[in-house]
Amino acid sequence: DVKVTQSSRYLVKRTGEKVFLECVQDMDHENMFWYRQDPGLGLRLIYFSYDVKMKEKGDIPEGYSVSREKKERFSLILESASTNQTSMYLCASSSFRGYTFGSGTRLTVV
Amino acid sequence: KNEVEQSPQNLTAQEGEFITINCSYSVGISALHWLQQHPGGGIVSLFMLSSGKKKHGRLIATINIQEKHSSLHITASHPRDSAVYICAALQTSGSRLTFGEGTQLTVNP
Repeated sequence: DVKVTQSSRYLVKRTGEKVFLECVQDMDHENMFWYRQDPGLGLRLIYFSYDVKMKEKGDIPEGYSVSREKKERFSLILESASTNQTSMYLCASSSFRGYTFGSGTRLTVV
Repeated sequence: KNEVEQSPQNLTAQEGEFITINCSYSVGISALHWLQQHPGGGIVSLFMLSSGKKKHGRLIATINIQEKHSSLHITASHPRDSAVYICAALQTSGSRLTFGEGTQLTVNP
């Protein structure tokens, strides 16, 4: 069963901490994406990647960075977590066949 | 105006009812996705379609490219269908999805 795996389901971090959210896909997809989802705002694209070591800013990249050193892994980094980054984070990968989403990481920054 | 709009935002139905969720988009697309999100967050892709109609079990998705409109139908609805349903347009300009705001469906027994 093909899938996208996010390393943590729930995460609580302190303000100012550096936070890593990991995403791994086993479908050999070229494209990978990080979204955040907030009530009333829907899903918003943070960053995406078309290939290893390639990255593109999405609609809300401020306060985030990403890393894609291997095709199957796409990491989202919060350099210095802030309370306004408390959210649900969703990773996805895609090919011409369609999208596959991870189960999400609910991050709380206190 | 959002590029992808869904209606209704909230929908409550009785078990067994036929349900329709609508999606209109204003951008050129290569495909349209229907997604399902249960409480707890994980998203499942139900359909990807670029023309016509697709069916999977009690779920049917249709798209009219000329009218820039898609519908998701659920026949013989069941409480386990309660979820948020999201349509997302894959624009012709690239690999990015543009999402609707979602429809919260509640099916009561």
